[in-house]
Amino acid sequence: SQQGEEDPQALSIQEGENATMNCSYKTSINNLQWYRQNSGRGLVHLILIRSNEREKHSGRLRVTLDTSKKSSSLLITASRAADTASYFCAVNNNAGNMLTFGGGTRLMVKP
Amino acid sequence: DAGVTQSPTHLIKTRGQHVTLRCSPISGHKSVSWYQQVLGQGPQFIFQYYEKEERGRGNFPDRFSARQFPNYSSELNVNALLLGDSALYLCASSTLVNTGELFFGEGSRLTVL
Repeated sequence: SQQGEEDPQALSIQEGENATMNCSYKTSINNLQWYRQNSGRGLVHLILIRSNEREKHSGRLRVTLDTSKKSSSLLITASRAADTASYFCAVNNNAGNMLTFGGGTRLMVKP
Repeated sequence: DAGVTQSPTHLIKTRGQHVTLRCSPISGHKSVSWYQQVLGQGPQFIFQYYEKEERGRGNFPDRFSARQFPNYSSELNVNALLLGDSALYLCASSTLVNTGELFFGEGSRLTVL
């Protein structure tokens, strides 16, 4: 079963707008990661936030983590058409590299 | 530097057949993980290997097996294929057993008829 659940499942916005995706999970975690996937291709790592961190930035990306609510959000600011992709959250909750992925948010950015 | 490479990129098999998928990690990476991604869903963990030893196994039947070679490349084998095994099989590598960030290949798309 998949632990992370993204919300919304699909999101359509105009270029220049901000996109916010949310992720909820069920157990305690070591870290939470966000990945991007273009149309059936490999996943690309975007950002990792550890369980003792609350917010992290990388370029136009901002990730927050609320361990009390077992939730995370990914904000993409000033979106571009090239940001069109599926975005997945993944939680790591053991000593290994096993990640449990959510079902993903399909983002479409219209030019 | 080359990224994670997987072969074949696409393949079609029939029910009951066997398939072998191959993965070469990024140079210097000693950990290889395998994930199955069914269309429309997120990836699901199958195996992790580190230094040629199995370090984790997901909830998959014994028809799925894997191994890692001395050069850290890896094979995923699936026996007695079922229609439900149709998926994108993703390989990911990392430097250590628990660094967190994974580097994914482009995947092998398996269709079972």
